[in-house]
Amino acid sequence: AQTVTQSQPEMSVQEAETVTLSCTYDTSESDYYLFWYKQPPSRQMILVIRQEAYKQQNATENRFSVNFQKAAKSFSLKISDSQLGDAAMYFCAYENQGGSEKLVFGKGTKLTVNP
Amino acid sequence: DTEVTQTPKHLVMGMTNKKSLKCEQHMGHRAMYWYKQKAKKPPELMFVYSYEKLSINESVPSRFSPECPNSSLLNLHLHALQPEDSALYLCASSQDYRPYNEQFFGPGTRLTVL
Repeated sequence: AQTVTQSQPEMSVQEAETVTLSCTYDTSESDYYLFWYKQPPSRQMILVIRQEAYKQQNATENRFSVNFQKAAKSFSLKISDSQLGDAAMYFCAYENQGGSEKLVFGKGTKLTVNP
Repeated sequence: DTEVTQTPKHLVMGMTNKKSLKCEQHMGHRAMYWYKQKAKKPPELMFVYSYEKLSINESVPSRFSPECPNSSLLNLHLHALQPEDSALYLCASSQDYRPYNEQFFGPGTRLTVL
């Protein structure tokens, strides 16, 4: 089974600042998909951003962007201009091409945004 | 409507009870999922249904019994649970079973087994 590692259990950032959450993964496959999901306290988990491994260009969604380093098996999330509403647990997740491994999650990083 | 709903929000049951969790979506999604999430842990996949057929069962004990009566509805029947089964049970759906599809999550049912 593939593994996803988030080495930062907790992070904090000042409002309007930038923060980067780390994620590494282990796989022997060449085609796969990577995701960042956000789970705010007592609210539904939502997709933040996703990346197809065969695409070299890093995905961006408004204030959220990723740094995808395929050779290093690294997939970090950058949040720019942090807002109070960004406070949440962030999960990095992996899914293989064949679909036999659906959303393998990392342990998560709890992000606190300080006003 | 991009919502996945789950009922009940909270459930307390004894080890001899039988209860059911319900999940519903009206987005026309053909893949639906059950996850178990313990406190401060990531969700763990339990079951996947694709076009109302069970596609993945992640070696879940038989005291959990999923059911997909139609494309909009997913149930999880619970019987003879153990205290360690206490957790947040999340339902999710996606357009279909293919990888890369966004999963839409419900708010979860918080289950306590006494």
